[in-house]
Amino acid sequence: KQEVTQIPAALSVPEGENLVLNCSFTDSAIYNLQWFRQDPGKGLTSLLLIQSSQREQTSGRLNASLDKSSGRSTLYIAASQPGDSATYLCAVETSGTYKYIFGTGTRLKVLA
Amino acid sequence: NAGVMQNPRHLVRRRGQEARLRCSPMKGHSHVYWYRQLPEEGLKFMVYLQKENIIDESGMPKERFSAEFPKEGPSILRIQQVVRGDSAAYFCASSGFWGDTEAFFGQGTRLTVV
Repeated sequence: KQEVTQIPAALSVPEGENLVLNCSFTDSAIYNLQWFRQDPGKGLTSLLLIQSSQREQTSGRLNASLDKSSGRSTLYIAASQPGDSATYLCAVETSGTYKYIFGTGTRLKVLA
Repeated sequence: NAGVMQNPRHLVRRRGQEARLRCSPMKGHSHVYWYRQLPEEGLKFMVYLQKENIIDESGMPKERFSAEFPKEGPSILRIQQVVRGDSAAYFCASSGFWGDTEAFFGQGTRLTVV
């Protein structure tokens, strides 16, 4: 049974810092992994999608890496800004299924 | 191309009433997934539907909950005789086909049972 864990659960940093958010999963047979952002009381915004054949994806100040063999993904946020404050969710689609298994998220607060 | 549309965005129901949540997938998408996010918890899969078919409802509570995706119109998640524990955010996602590499999520419906 696929389980997804995100560490840390919460993070508070001053503006300008580079950040690393971690996601680990127990079943390495994944189809893809997706990082989302969720603002309080809002929906999900897809940030980056990494397919199983890929090692990383980049979008602006965001970079996500995937290591299937170790069951890990990291989301790197460069030069953090207060507008980055949100909950970041990692979700895994295991091969042969169509369901996303979500982690419980990392609540990020970037202080001005 | 509009994204996944969910309505209402907020819904308040008294205990014992029925809640109907609607989801219109992205244009051209025929696969719909419902997820529930309980307070302080992660999103949990509930049900996967294609047009007129329920493919997997393994995450759906056995009683009071039902889902449909008719040939015409939006997908409906129906909760009968709501209880306080049903208060949550319900998210819908759609994809173009089974195995599509990306599912697109709606903004969610926040159900509050009073």
